[in-house]
Amino acid sequence: DTEVTQTPKHLVMGMTNKKSLKCEQHMGHRAMYWYKQKAKKPPELMFVYSYEKLSINESVPSRFSPECPNSSLLNLHLHALQPEDSALYLCASSQAQGMGNTEAFFGQGTRLTVV
Amino acid sequence: GENVEQHPSTLSVQEGDSAVIKCTYSDSASNYFPWYKQELGKRPQLIIDIRSNVGEKKDQRIAVTLNKTAKHFSLHITETQPEDSAVYFCAANHYTGKLIFGQGTTLQVKP
Repeated sequence: DTEVTQTPKHLVMGMTNKKSLKCEQHMGHRAMYWYKQKAKKPPELMFVYSYEKLSINESVPSRFSPECPNSSLLNLHLHALQPEDSALYLCASSQAQGMGNTEAFFGQGTRLTVV
Repeated sequence: GENVEQHPSTLSVQEGDSAVIKCTYSDSASNYFPWYKQELGKRPQLIIDIRSNVGEKKDQRIAVTLNKTAKHFSLHITETQPEDSAVYFCAANHYTGKLIFGQGTTLQVKP
């Protein structure tokens, strides 16, 4: 299984809503990532989890809250988002975090619209 | 700081022609250089990658070359087909393990 699965595929939420994005992989990868991607721009790293611990937070606003319940699952909790947060949110995983282990597999993404 | 520059930003070729996309990286410690293809509305997909102990790698119509001294790497697509039309991103790894992406190249292959 070489898939990274994300749910939901599409999400529309109001600025006062709370929602969660989910990501799952069964490749035994120990590093998992959240990226945000705007149209025609490269993926922008948000968070990295390594061995279920938060390793990198790229100064992301606190309205985005990541969680890694176990080595196969990664969540992104959303609260009080702004319209400018509308984007494609991509989850990725790799064998491990670190030089030489960064072949990353991306999920199909969640298209988020904040209204 | 960490940076990957990618050129050109847009590229239009005739079907059957070759396409070349070039990237330059700044972190001399980088040793892994993947290329991703992203079709409209879809995920980035790894199409080829190269590690720093190799100068060139080929996979059918796609090849990547790496010049570590100059900190350049390039993607070459031969005999282009309309289904090659997409946005292509180069990337280089950082010592923290994250990937630094180039700004992307929109490739259009005209039938």
